[in-house]
This record gives sequence, C-alpha cells and structure tokens, in this order.
Amino acid sequence: GQQLNQSPQSMFIQEGEDVSMNCTSSSIFNTWLWYKQDPGEGPVLLIALYKAGELTSNGRLTAQFGITRKDSFLNISASIPSDVGIYFCAGRRGGSEKLVFGKGTKLTVNP
Amino acid sequence: EAQVTQNPRYLITVTGKKLTVTCSQNMNHEYMSWYRQDPGLGLRQIYYSMNVEVTDKGDVPEGYKVSRKEKRNFPLILESPSPNQTSLYFCASSSGTADSYEQYFGPGTRLTVT
Repeated sequence: GQQLNQSPQSMFIQEGEDVSMNCTSSSIFNTWLWYKQDPGEGPVLLIALYKAGELTSNGRLTAQFGITRKDSFLNISASIPSDVGIYFCAGRRGGSEKLVFGKGTKLTVNP
Repeated sequence: EAQVTQNPRYLITVTGKKLTVTCSQNMNHEYMSWYRQDPGLGLRQIYYSMNVEVTDKGDVPEGYKVSRKEKRNFPLILESPSPNQTSLYFCASSSGTADSYEQYFGPGTRLTVT
C-alpha cells in the first residue's frame, strides 16, 4: 500500500529549539492526522486537520494542512525532553476510512 | 475513560499454535482496524471493519483472520502463526462520522513467534 513521504527520518536537537517536520504525497488527502508514539506504546493523536490551509495548535504543537492538499507540516516550539518519541503523519482520502501513514520522524531532545 | 484495549500486551508462542489477540473499544465506534508495525516498514493495515459483520482486507492480510460480531470487539486471529508474523500489533478505532476520522490506537501487542 501507499505510504506518505515523511521527513526528516530523525532529528537530534537541543532542549529549547524549535522543530519542523513534514509529510508529502502525490495524492490529495481530505484529512491529515499527526500522532506521537513513545517506545512500547500505541500512537497518540496530537492534531487532526480537515481543511486545506487549516492551521491548528495544541499547546506547543502547530500543524498545517497544505493548501495543495498533498502535504502537511508539524512544528514543535521550545522543545523539552518529554517531546522525545516518534512522530507519524497519516492521511485519509475522500470516501474512505483508511489511513495512509508516513514512516515517522524520530525526535531526540538533548537536555 | 474512552479507550481501546488490547490483550495480551506480550505474547511468545510457537509456530503453528493458533492464537487470538483481543481488541475492545468503549467509544461506540463503527470503524475498527488492525495494524502491524515493523522496523523500517512503518504501520501497515492488516484488516479493517466498517461495522458489525462488515470486514475487509487491508494491505497485508495474509495469515490473519478477523471477526466483528459485536460493535465493541474486533479480535485478530492467527490460525497458524509463523515467525514472519513476529511484530508489534495495534488495534485502532474511529467513529467514522463525516467530521471525525480520528483513529485512536490501543497500547499494542508485541508478538514473538518462534
């Protein structure tokens, strides 16, 4: 099955720095979701986006639904050690419940 | 508390011994799905269910079965497990309404087949 192109694959940053990651696709999606997964746990939903151009925040996290509907971005401001984990994007096409996932961005935050 | 539960969380078994991983959600969600997660391959959908008695194959259904007799439960069945089914498995559910396609995941089941 198709997967989204998520980048970067990994990031090593200092505490306090801002983080940006993105997902792109050759196909149009109607919904974009961003998840975080801690080791040994299930993905936890962070932000859901439903409209092209939509910008949504959840605390220090901000995500955007790309205007072309083929991409989405996640920003984390002022990172802290508990931000460590793997971040996944997921997209849903119209008329389907099926989610297509990116392979994840592994974030490491150095104190 | 709204949640998706899976059991067991960890399972070690031998090739060919039938097993079932249970999944239950308490959110009255219509849509449920099973995924496996493998290093370098990400999350891949095994099977999904749009509602009771309605199931369909995902991207990697070979070697798996599912059933949806009740809305809240969606067990994953491995009739004859093989080592290549060693993986981390997740169940997920969503309401499937027009304004909410958010899927919520269970805590995962780590399966080892020897």
